[in-house]
Amino acid sequence: GVTQSPTHLIKTRGQQVTLRCSSQSGHNTVSWYQQALGQGPQFIFQYYREEENGRGNFPPRFSGLQFPNDSSELNVNALELDDSALYLCASSLGLGEKLFFGSGTQLSVL
Amino acid sequence: DQQVKQNSPSLSVQEGRISILNCDYTNSMFDYFLWYKKYPAEGPTFLISISSIKDKNEDGRFTVFLNKSAKHLSLHIVPSQPGDSAVYFCAAINTGTASKLTFGTGTRLQVTL
Repeated sequence: GVTQSPTHLIKTRGQQVTLRCSSQSGHNTVSWYQQALGQGPQFIFQYYREEENGRGNFPPRFSGLQFPNDSSELNVNALELDDSALYLCASSLGLGEKLFFGSGTQLSVL
Repeated sequence: DQQVKQNSPSLSVQEGRISILNCDYTNSMFDYFLWYKKYPAEGPTFLISISSIKDKNEDGRFTVFLNKSAKHLSLHIVPSQPGDSAVYFCAAINTGTASKLTFGTGTRLQVTL
């Protein structure tokens, strides 16, 4: 399945954080979502074959990387209190295919 | 701008009865709709979907109905079981962009004995 690390993380405002995701084998598309408390997941961006393929309404301090070995990263710079949320990674066989979600990383910014 | 809305944050249903979860959308470009189920400490898992060219899709105990003119869809679970207790998210996509799902805020279903 899709695995994410770490499961929980506490950071201080202004710091930088890297969240990691391991996709299902053979999946060439990775999407990242942010789920704030009481809200549905919000699309951050999607990577297809290691290139960004769509971005939601998030500032440039949210960035990502997708590697050829089924791993990917979400980086957030200059953390703000409102960045506290569950971050979900989802992979799929291709564009428009069914998404398989990981369990998420719970980020708390103090 | 909430393009996908689930107006009921919670729903309680007795075991064996029908659960009906509702979802409304505003973006007429959406042409594919999905329901996801989420347990605590787990990621959402795909449940059932429907294309805009259909008005009903059934999979076992789960049926999704789509009313395009009303921009409304619903998920029916019959019969409801205690293991169905979870948060259900409605999601929509414009398959022309094929990049992002737009989720609703979720409905917490509790199935009681």
